[in-house]
Amino acid sequence: GAVVSQHPSRVICKSGTSVKIECRSLDFQATTMFWYRQFPKQSLMLMATSNEGSKATYEQGVEKDKFLINHASLTLSTLTVTSAHPEDSSFYICSAVAGRGNEQFFGPGTRLTVL
Amino acid sequence: ILNVEQSPQSLHVQEGDSTNFTCSFPSSNFYALHWYRWETAKSPEALFVMTLNGDEKKKGRISATLNTKEGYSYLYIKGSQPEDSATYLCASEGSGKFYFGSGTKLNVKP
Repeated sequence: GAVVSQHPSRVICKSGTSVKIECRSLDFQATTMFWYRQFPKQSLMLMATSNEGSKATYEQGVEKDKFLINHASLTLSTLTVTSAHPEDSSFYICSAVAGRGNEQFFGPGTRLTVL
Repeated sequence: ILNVEQSPQSLHVQEGDSTNFTCSFPSSNFYALHWYRWETAKSPEALFVMTLNGDEKKKGRISATLNTKEGYSYLYIKGSQPEDSATYLCASEGSGKFYFGSGTKLNVKP
């Protein structure tokens, strides 16, 4: 089956630093990748849709200057949390869609803790 | 933002019991309903995708149904096993986006 990796799996950083999270499709080309955030006991909330070679589309309420998304190739999308603050502490998870299908393949997620 | 609800939030059953969960979603702007199985420390794994009213899908002991007119889907597990313990997520797809419920956490006791 299709495999999506996400790195790092866990990160602890100081307030004010920037953190980059990578999402890679290992055995297929992903035309679209999604970034989600999940707070404890809540749903996966879509943050942005990332399409290769174009700007990401952000959901309402998500600051594009704070959550920088780069989809540089068909196998890699990155999410950079800039100037992280404790309220950014959350579980971030990406997914990738192959071709024109609508099936998502998820990464294992990244637990971000901002001190 | 679509409001997708799942119930119950958590469920504890004995090995061998059959169980079911509910996912409700708005009928407007609906394209497909997805079910995922999410084990701790692993990636969510796709179980089913259904698009048509009345769709039924089955994979081993797990099956799902879809009612798009009233906006709900059921996931059934027959003869639960400890390895079925996981969080089961549903997501409504519409306009190229996925809206998730908060999941049902199933614990199957041996």
